Amino acid sequence: DVKVTQSSRYLVKRTGEKVFLECVQDMDHENMFWYRQDPGLGLRLIYFSYDVKMKEKGDIPEGYSVSREKKERFSLILESASTNQTSMYLCASSLLSFSHEQYFGPGTRLTVT
Amino acid sequence: AQSVAQPEDQVNVAEGNPLTVKCTYSVSGNPYLFWYVQYPNRGLQFLLKYITGDNLVKGSYGFEAEFNKSQTSFHLKKPSALVSDSALYFCAVRDINFNKFYFGSGTKLNVKP
Repeated sequence: DVKVTQSSRYLVKRTGEKVFLECVQDMDHENMFWYRQDPGLGLRLIYFSYDVKMKEKGDIPEGYSVSREKKERFSLILESASTNQTSMYLCASSLLSFSHEQYFGPGTRLTVT
Repeated sequence: AQSVAQPEDQVNVAEGNPLTVKCTYSVSGNPYLFWYVQYPNRGLQFLLKYITGDNLVKGSYGFEAEFNKSQTSFHLKKPSALVSDSALYFCAVRDINFNKFYFGSGTKLNVKP
């Protein structure tokens, strides 16, 4: 079975802190994605990566950055956390093939106070 | 631009009755369509996908989906609902031009005993 793990299930941070969210997949997938999920808005893509050291902006990249130094690991960085970044963050991975579905991690619920 | 619409925020159905969760899409080119389910405080789980071929696609947990090209729809169905099917359901389309997935806003399914 594909496993996508995220470093924390729940996280509480203060405004202005630098926040790191880590995601690891064990199936050698080329693609990795970071989404945020907010009620009524569904999933919105923050960033994605199709290869090591490659990254592409999604629909809402402002206030975020990412790092992919190894194929299995994709990190999301909040440079200076703000209260409007309080959300559920979901990591996913998939093969490059267009017919392939995504596999999701359990999510990190981040609260910024 | 690719997009997905789930017109119902919530669907209520009695246990044992058939259920339908609606999804319509807009894509350029051939659609690659997916359904996912999310249980409380969990990541998304893949249910089924349509890539090509038979318009009726069978997936996990007894779910199936009907692809209708003329109506640009991909409705999720189950002949007999279970209380344990109560969850949040997301429809998604893959944008092969930009290697991204677009998600609907989600439909909450409530199955009452």
